[in-house]
Amino acid sequence: GAVVSQHPSRVICKSGTSVKIECRSLDFQATTMFWYRQFPKQSLMLMATSNEGSKATYEQGVEKDKFLINHASLTLSTLTVTSAHPEDSSFYICSAPGTIAVSNNSPLHFGNGTRLTVT
Amino acid sequence: KQEVTQIPAALSVPEGENLVLNCSFTDSAIYNLQWFRQDPGKGLTSLLLIQSSQREQTSGRLNASLDKSSGRSTLYIAASQPGDSATYLCAVAGGGNKLTFGTGTQLKVEL
Repeated sequence: GAVVSQHPSRVICKSGTSVKIECRSLDFQATTMFWYRQFPKQSLMLMATSNEGSKATYEQGVEKDKFLINHASLTLSTLTVTSAHPEDSSFYICSAPGTIAVSNNSPLHFGNGTRLTVT
Repeated sequence: KQEVTQIPAALSVPEGENLVLNCSFTDSAIYNLQWFRQDPGKGLTSLLLIQSSQREQTSGRLNASLDKSSGRSTLYIAASQPGDSATYLCAVAGGGNKLTFGTGTQLKVEL
């Protein structure tokens, strides 16, 4: 089945530094990928939609200059948390539709997530 | 704005018991509803996907139902096992495959 690989699985960084998280579709192509954030004991919240070859679409309240998204190829999207602060500590998870042509009913495949801790 | 609620927030049952997890959503204009399993510190495993035109889906010991008009879905787990212990999330799909997730039900199945 379709596999989404996310790296790293855990990262600890100091306040003020930047962290890059990669999301790869291993055996399928994805023109669109989705980035979610999950705070402890809370549900997943959609942050942004990553679009191959064009700008990402951010959800309301998500700072695009802080959470930089790049979708340079059909198999890779990256999320960079810039100038990270302790309040950015969270679980970040990406997903991609299993079909290259995104329909409203495409099955979504999720990565295993990245636990970010900012000290 | 779509809101998804799951009840109960936590559930502890003895092994072998049948159980029902509940999910409700405020906007019935959905394309599909999905149930996921999340183990601690891990990503999501898709369990069942119900299209908006469907009433239920089954996979092994799992059965999910959907009543779109009332904004409700249930996940039925038969003969629960300790390996079923996890957090179960429901999510509804709006346009463009954007998912709105519930807060989850944390299930513990005890020996």
